[in-house]
Amino acid sequence: SAVISQKPSRDICQRGTSLTIQCQVDSQVTMMFWYRQQPGQSLTLIATANQGSEATYESGFVIDKFPISRPNLTFSTLTVSNMSPEDSSIYLCSVGQGSTDTQYFGPGTRLTVL
Amino acid sequence: AQSVTQLGSHVSVSEGALVLLRCNYSSSVPPYLFWYVQYPNQGLQLLLKYTTGATLVKGINGFEAEFKKSETSFHLTKPSAHMSDAAEYFCAVKIGGYNKLIFGAGTRLAVHP
Repeated sequence: SAVISQKPSRDICQRGTSLTIQCQVDSQVTMMFWYRQQPGQSLTLIATANQGSEATYESGFVIDKFPISRPNLTFSTLTVSNMSPEDSSIYLCSVGQGSTDTQYFGPGTRLTVL
Repeated sequence: AQSVTQLGSHVSVSEGALVLLRCNYSSSVPPYLFWYVQYPNQGLQLLLKYTTGATLVKGINGFEAEFKKSETSFHLTKPSAHMSDAAEYFCAVKIGGYNKLIFGAGTRLAVHP
């Protein structure tokens, strides 16, 4: 499976600011995904990011709040904009691989907003 | 609509005892099913998956799961729990040509001496 890294691993931010999270994969992949895991909760898909096209957002998530870039087949960024304490979560990227597009996850970015 | 139900948000077992984590899904078409494990302060690691073929699938760390279509279940088992198995376990379903993973709420497994 692909090796996935995320930067930063954790951050503490002030409300009203923005944070950009990077996801790097060691091989080329078509599909990348961004998830949010709120404290004590399961994972919720934010958006699917395919190279060369606009990200597809799930219900409840909008591009103005969570802009995503996918400049090539090994890299993506998620920005959390105009943050509030409710944005405090773990943000994870994943990639789909193989004939069944099995998803493999990065280590996550733990975000705390004060 | 597809959904996943994990029965029991917390499960506690003794070291050496059987681990059974329950997962039921709802899908109108044959699903792909997955179990992931999340250790504290880490991302998700794939334990095992069922896509087609043999309904009993074996994964890492001695875990296995059986797909039972008649019961719409994909329960995760391990014959003998180890202290290192303490973690959060997530069941997930993916429908055929769609790439979206639907996750269950998760089950936190505690293993005590």
